[in-house]
Amino acid sequence: SQQGEEDPQALSIQEGENATMNCSYKTSINNLQWYRQNSGRGLVHLILIRSNEREKHSGRLRVTLDTSKKSSSLLITASRAADTASYFCATDHTGGFKTIFGAGTRLFVKA
Amino acid sequence: DTEVTQTPKHLVMGMTNKKSLKCEQHMGHRAMYWYKQKAKKPPELMFVYSYEKLSINESVPSRFSPECPNSSLLNLHLHALQPEDSALYLCASSQDRRGEGQYFGPGTRLTVT
Repeated sequence: SQQGEEDPQALSIQEGENATMNCSYKTSINNLQWYRQNSGRGLVHLILIRSNEREKHSGRLRVTLDTSKKSSSLLITASRAADTASYFCATDHTGGFKTIFGAGTRLFVKA
Repeated sequence: DTEVTQTPKHLVMGMTNKKSLKCEQHMGHRAMYWYKQKAKKPPELMFVYSYEKLSINESVPSRFSPECPNSSLLNLHLHALQPEDSALYLCASSQDRRGEGQYFGPGTRLTVT
C-alpha cells in the first residue's frame, strides 16, 4: 500500500513560474525524500529531509515537512522546460527499512 | 563513478521463457533494490539486498527470483512470467539499507507476450 499520496496529480505551468507539489503520508517516518523521473527512465534523488527538520533548500528546490500534519511540500522556483518530469515523494517508516513512493505529480513546464 | 547500469534496456519474452535482468554499481553501496513500475504509477518495491543478503521480499511471486552474487551485482531471474508482469524494472542502490539517497539505473522495459 502506498505511504505517500501527492497532489496535484498533474501540474502545467509557464517557464519562470514556481511549482508546488504536496505529499501526505500515513505513519511516522524517519525521513522523506523527493525524486524526479523523466519519461519513464530511472529516478534521480533530489533532496532528503529528516523527521526532525522543518525546511531544507537545495538550489531552486525548497522542501518543507510538517510531521504533525504528516505532509511535505516541494517548491521548484523559476521553473525551466527541463524541469518537466514526474516528481515522487518517498517515505520510509520508523521501524522499517522500506522506501514507499507516493503516486507522483506530473509537472509540465511550457517554454 | 556514480552510475547504476542495467541490462538489457528492453526485453521481450514469452511466458515459457527464462531470462535474467542485470544490475551493476561500483559506488561501494551495500544495499541494492529491485522495483517494478507500471505506466503512470510509482515504483513498487520488490526486493532489498543488504550486504548481499536478502533483507526484504515484498511478497513477490516466485516466478521472480533475485540473486546478489557480490556487492556490485544484482540479478533478477525471470521464469514463466505473465503478461501483467510487463513493466519497467528498476534497480537502485544506496549506502545502506536505510535507503537514503538511492541511485537508480535507467531500467529494463519488459514485455511479456
